[in-house]
Parts: sequence; structure tokens; C-alpha cells
Amino acid sequence: GAGVSQSPSNKVTEKGKDVELRCDPISGHTALYWYRQSLGQGLEFLIYFQGNSAPDKSGLPSDRFSAERTGGSVSTLTIQRTQQEDSAVYLCASSLGQGLGQPQHFGDGTRLSIL
Amino acid sequence: EDQVTQSPEALRLQEGESSSLNCSYTVSGLRGLFWYRQDPGKGPEFLFTLYSAGEEKEKERLKATLTKKESFLHITAPKPEDSATYLCALNRDDKIIFGKGTRLHILP
Repeated sequence: GAGVSQSPSNKVTEKGKDVELRCDPISGHTALYWYRQSLGQGLEFLIYFQGNSAPDKSGLPSDRFSAERTGGSVSTLTIQRTQQEDSAVYLCASSLGQGLGQPQHFGDGTRLSIL
Repeated sequence: EDQVTQSPEALRLQEGESSSLNCSYTVSGLRGLFWYRQDPGKGPEFLFTLYSAGEEKEKERLKATLTKKESFLHITAPKPEDSATYLCALNRDDKIIFGKGTRLHILP
């Protein structure tokens, strides 16, 4: 079956521009996560959606970052007024649910480069 | 504070040379420990979930074990295609905490 799909796979943009990153989770997965992975670093949690509950935004690094999940499926991560330190790989994952200790299934990420 | 520490950071082995990767953790209310494999340019790929001390899981040349304070990923007679970064992660309540990973390189 189809896995988690992310687009674009690569994005190069100028400092100060806004970017939108898209994630299509596995069908039927109620939980969706966004992470950031910088070179040589671990995965940094950004935001978590579970069903219709309010998202856990505790990992967002600044108010320039926001995310939406429409219809309990597709999610968009938006970064406004991008800065060079935003350059990283942004990974999306989905799972059947959090409370049961379900493993997350990841997409291949969007590699974001800010010039 | 909940923590996940993986060691070593990097490991080079000859093909066929068995070894173990370590994941030490401090967490209250553990609800699962995960192992993932990540290849360059790819997202992490799920390998195992362990829920309680004493539990073991196996897949091909990999075996994961769990105690109350650490988990090991044992690699038996590895092949070059086992080269990757191996990530450990903890499920605590509604948070997943990832370690920084061990970069494993298997030389032919």
C-alpha cells in the first residue's frame, strides 16, 4: 500500500520568502507528526495532530512556523519569512494512534535550503 | 528530564563482524521503545517495538532487546547493505523522543 508522501522533495528559496510543505499520511492513520532533522542532529519534534483534537504545537521553534491538517488527512507545514537557520530536512510521519504506542511511519522528507 | 542516549555515535565493522548498538534511556511511564533504520536521503524505516523489560524481537540479522534502563540492537554477521543510521525512540504518553542515532558502516 501507499506510504507517507511528502512534497516537494526539495525546495530552494530565498531568505524572507514563505514556504509550504505538504504531507499525505497513510490512509486511516489518525495521528500525524512533523519533525525537523538538521545535518548530524536527531529528529526535532515540531507538531502533532491526533484526530480532531487540538494539535500539540509545543515543538514549533517560533511563530513563523504553523501547520494545518484538513479533513483529518493532508497536512501543510508553513514557514513564513524563512531564515537560513530554517534549512533542514522536514519529515512527516503518521501512525494509527498515539496512545497504543503505535510506531510512526515516515515519508522521505522535504529538503529545504534557504539561500 | 526524559532522555535517550545512543552509543556509539558511529561504528565501522568488517562484513561478518557482529556487534551491538546501545540505547540508554531515562523516562517515566515508558509506553514503548522503537528502533528505526534511516538510509541517506530517506525517512526512518520502522524496525521493532519493544514494550517491556525482557522482551526480544528479531528480523533477519537484527535482534532488539530491552531492559529497564537500556535497549540493545544486536547485529549478527552484518552485510554491507546493513550500513545505515539506526535510531532509537521512546514513546512516553503523547511524545516521541528520538536519540541522535548510531551511524553504522559495514566494510566489504
